[in-house]
Amino acid sequence: GQNIDQPTEMTATEGAIVQINCTYQTSGFNGLFWYQQHAGEAPTFLSYNVLDGLEEKGRFSSFLSRSKGYSYLLLKELQMKDSASYLCAVKAAGNKLTFGGGTRVLVKP
Amino acid sequence: SAVISQKPSRDICQRGTSLTIQCQVDSQVTMMFWYRQQPGQSLTLIATANQGSEATYESGFVIDKFPISRPNLTFSTLTVSNMSPEDSSIYLCSVEGQGYTDTQYFGPGTRLTVL
Repeated sequence: GQNIDQPTEMTATEGAIVQINCTYQTSGFNGLFWYQQHAGEAPTFLSYNVLDGLEEKGRFSSFLSRSKGYSYLLLKELQMKDSASYLCAVKAAGNKLTFGGGTRVLVKP
Repeated sequence: SAVISQKPSRDICQRGTSLTIQCQVDSQVTMMFWYRQQPGQSLTLIATANQGSEATYESGFVIDKFPISRPNLTFSTLTVSNMSPEDSSIYLCSVEGQGYTDTQYFGPGTRLTVL
């Protein structure tokens, strides 16, 4: 079976850093995705990790440890527009994505 | 990234009717998927739309309820049949392949409300 866990909600202050953790137990692993989803909009691709280590893209970084079944998304220099849900998804056999429940991040001034 | 459009963007339908949602991509893609996002929930995969063959459905989803077509490498449709209020959701298509390998991009979604 597939099990992907991430916190339901996080609150942080503008300009700060927030780390969203994702743990997974899946049958098969072909990579892990992070998506951003603003209310009422479609998910937007943020990052894809298939090898262990850190991938950095501007203010956003994503880390993967396959042996631990663990990933995190790091958001630096938070801005108000970063208030959104962040979805962790694992790609398994057949290129199918299984999503975690999503983490709603609220950025306060 | 892929440019994906969906029609309609939203609809309000009566119980017992059916709605067909279209997904169009700006270039040929190998794989197309259909997801459902119920209110306040994350995304759940309905099926993989295979070009030239029947769709592959996930547990809990059946062809009679969600028939899918994939006539070519840029287009797919999902029909929500005999709708009930429980079908009220956002339906999204996603694509991967043919230059977008390893990454799945999502269409803007179709917001369906069933009365």
